Amino acid sequence: KNQVEQSPQSLIILEGKNCTLQCNYTVSPFSNLRWYKQDTGRGPVSLTIMTFSENTKSNGRYTATLDADTKQSSLHITASQLSDSASYICVVGNDYKLSFGAGTTVTVRA
Amino acid sequence: KAGVTQTPRYLIKTRGQQVTLSCSPISGHRSVSWYQQTPGQGLQFLFEYFSETQRNKGNFPGRFSGRQFSNSRSEMNVSTLELGDSALYLCASSKTSGPNTGELFFGEGSRLTVL
Repeated sequence: KNQVEQSPQSLIILEGKNCTLQCNYTVSPFSNLRWYKQDTGRGPVSLTIMTFSENTKSNGRYTATLDADTKQSSLHITASQLSDSASYICVVGNDYKLSFGAGTTVTVRA
Repeated sequence: KAGVTQTPRYLIKTRGQQVTLSCSPISGHRSVSWYQQTPGQGLQFLFEYFSETQRNKGNFPGRFSGRQFSNSRSEMNVSTLELGDSALYLCASSKTSGPNTGELFFGEGSRLTVL
């Protein structure tokens, strides 16, 4: 069964600090890995999309890494802002479907 | 460029009723996929339509159905509503079909509450 596991389930950080979210997957064969940001009550917004050949991708203060050998990805948030408070969802695709993680809820406090 | 539009944004129904949700994709996008999001289950894939044809379907009962029109707008219908159908229903549009498609653009969702 294709699974996507995210950790931690939630975290609280102080404004200006960095944090890293983890995503482990068992999806096979692998095609692409995506990170989405979802604000409360809103739809998800794409942050990054990576294919097998890419091991890092940045979008502003967000940097995603991918290790296809160990089937792990991370999303690093640099110099967090209050607007980074959201749920971050890892999505892994193969040739047949997209598999969604349960998400990590990030709360940034002033 | 207008984004993905979902209507209605909020609705309340009672058990046994049926509901129809609408999704207008980004202009030029021919694929529309639907997802159910609940706190306990996260995002779950319902189905995908491309050029008026259902291309893929998730593991939901037959009470959940959908269709796509020639202008790419899509509707999903849930019949005989159950309490467990309370959720945020999201649609996403993309230019091409399938899991290897490029970026998915999500709408704001329709929040359904079943009483």
